[in-house]
Amino acid sequence: DAKTTQPPSMDCAEGRAANLPCNHSTISGNEYVYWYRQIHSQGPQYIIHGLKNNETNEMASLIITEDRKSSTLILPHATLRDTAVYYCIVRVAGKETSGSRLTFGEGTQLTVNP
Amino acid sequence: DGGITQSPKYLFRKEGQNVTLSCEQNLNHDAMYWYRQDPGQGLRLIYYSQIVNDFQKGDIAEGYSVSREKKESFPLTVTSAQKNPTAFYLCASSIRGRNSPLHFGNGTRLTVT
Repeated sequence: DAKTTQPPSMDCAEGRAANLPCNHSTISGNEYVYWYRQIHSQGPQYIIHGLKNNETNEMASLIITEDRKSSTLILPHATLRDTAVYYCIVRVAGKETSGSRLTFGEGTQLTVNP
Repeated sequence: DGGITQSPKYLFRKEGQNVTLSCEQNLNHDAMYWYRQDPGQGLRLIYYSQIVNDFQKGDIAEGYSVSREKKESFPLTVTSAQKNPTAFYLCASSIRGRNSPLHFGNGTRLTVT
């Protein structure tokens, strides 16, 4: 699975959009981009995933560049409860062992300030 | 509510003792996984199981054992052979299809002294 690079930490004001970047310059054509987040002392929570097109759900939006070498997770109106470590992961599509080899790096610590 | 339950949340053991961590899911997922997380680090895969009565080693299986006798349950035993057992242990499950996301439990923090 391709390696990802994320900034170690970011700050965001409550109510503003939080834009979390992720570089995955070695991504292959069949690798999906996944985002999870982990609030302290809890299990990671799935947020969103995508392959080529931008994706949106009730939690966030995922913007993937045309060359797919980077992506941005957008939390449109950050709240204090969005303070967490955010992990960007790429995974090959089509493997029977779905999720089994997800490699979690150190992620980005997002702090939402009042 | 459907979900994954890990128990207990905190566990303390003496060095040299085996300890078993519980993981139960009622999501009807075929696949289940165990990860370990050390402070300030990402998750590392210990074992995973795609189907009942079958499981495979992950990246750091040494000193651990698992069983998968029921679809709902995937207990992890941390044996005395595990050199650094103190860690945060996370269980997850997923649909066995491709690209399905993982659903995680809230973890068990094991401290061995």
